[in-house]
Amino acid sequence: GENVEQHPSTLSVQEGDSAVIKCTYSDSASNYFPWYKQELGKGPQLIIDIRSNVGEKKDQRIAVTLNKTAKHFSLHITETQPEDSAVYFCAAMETRYDKVIFGPGTSLSVIP
Amino acid sequence: KAGVTQTPRYLIKTRGQQVTLSCSPISGHRSVSWYQQTPGQGLQFLFEYFSETQRNKGNFPGRFSGRQFSNSRSEMNVSTLELGDSALYLCASSGGQATDTQYFGPGTRLTVL
Repeated sequence: GENVEQHPSTLSVQEGDSAVIKCTYSDSASNYFPWYKQELGKGPQLIIDIRSNVGEKKDQRIAVTLNKTAKHFSLHITETQPEDSAVYFCAAMETRYDKVIFGPGTSLSVIP
Repeated sequence: KAGVTQTPRYLIKTRGQQVTLSCSPISGHRSVSWYQQTPGQGLQFLFEYFSETQRNKGNFPGRFSGRQFSNSRSEMNVSTLELGDSALYLCASSGGQATDTQYFGPGTRLTVL
């Protein structure tokens, strides 16, 4: 089955700097890759997603890139703000089984 | 549009008891998935229901079961609770088609003493 790895597990950046989180997946049949943000005491919230027919997608300060050949995808957050502090999860969907597999998460801290 | 709701939000049980958690999906969504979140294991898929049928299942023992009603609301049951079942249980709803976005509820925090 699908396996998703995520790095780093913790990330600390100064406000205004960029943050990059990288994920790899194992199943070449996966073709949907969502990113979720989870704040303390809340459920994960979708922040951006990318499908395998697209190499890059951007939404304001957030961008995601996908390299299907290498089976890795990354989240880029520019001009970070304290409210970006949260745990971020990447995920891959095994469309054959319609099941989302999550990475272990990255705890991002943005220092004012 | 109202989001995914889960009840109760917090629950304390003792070993050996059983528990039932409830999830109401976003209106119009027919798929409900359940996940267990723990600090050590992260987010792990339990099962998914679509139109009252279990469509996918993760690698959890038979003590974990679920069902879905005709209005798409779903319940998850855990029997013979163990200390290791303490976790945040999340449900997510979607339209049910491949690659449809999953929207999560706030979760139910279960503590087993």
